[in-house]
Amino acid sequence: DAGVIQSPRHEVTEMGQEVTLRCKPISGHNSLFWYRQTMMRGLELLIYFNNNVPIDDSGMPEDRFSAKMPNASFSTLKIQPSEPRDSAVYFCASSIRDTEAFFGQGTRLTVV
Amino acid sequence: SQQGEEDPQALSIQEGENATMNCSYKTSINNLQWYRQNSGRGLVHLILIRSNEREKHSGRLRVTLDTSKKSSSLLITASRAADTASYFCATGYGQNFVFGPGTRLSVLP
Repeated sequence: DAGVIQSPRHEVTEMGQEVTLRCKPISGHNSLFWYRQTMMRGLELLIYFNNNVPIDDSGMPEDRFSAKMPNASFSTLKIQPSEPRDSAVYFCASSIRDTEAFFGQGTRLTVV
Repeated sequence: SQQGEEDPQALSIQEGENATMNCSYKTSINNLQWYRQNSGRGLVHLILIRSNEREKHSGRLRVTLDTSKKSSSLLITASRAADTASYFCATGYGQNFVFGPGTRLSVLP
């Protein structure tokens, strides 16, 4: 398996634009997590899904953030409208229940 | 907060020395995991220890868990320059993982 695949690897966008981050989890994994990492706040859990159903989205910072998992092999994290303070590295991870999480390489988002 | 806290925040040692990092947490957990992150890369899973286990080994890594003290330690023996990275503990609650702020380890050649 190729591991967790995230796209794009880098994204630079202007403030106010919509940004969509994509994630393909490892086949057979039933949990998917979205994290955001910044120097100031460290690694924050935004939302996680189990069997494609959002379980806990309490980490989603604002209504500008939304996440979907239409099927077991694909998830998106959308920011609309984007703001400079959203600049961070966004990680997607997947796991089988109660075991280790496998992380993608991340998407580095810069909002100017 | 459920978040684990690593200690120290930063650690600098000479190659060949052992490195010990600690993690404390506040609530009951199902398991505790350690991850490594090299600069600019994703996190890589190192080892998982379940709440009913006390010690686990993997190569040069040794992890202990003391649920009565709500703490864990990660020992890296005979460190190498390639071990330079940030190390995170993640406390597992059901299906969720909560990461601490990490320990930045620098291994000097």
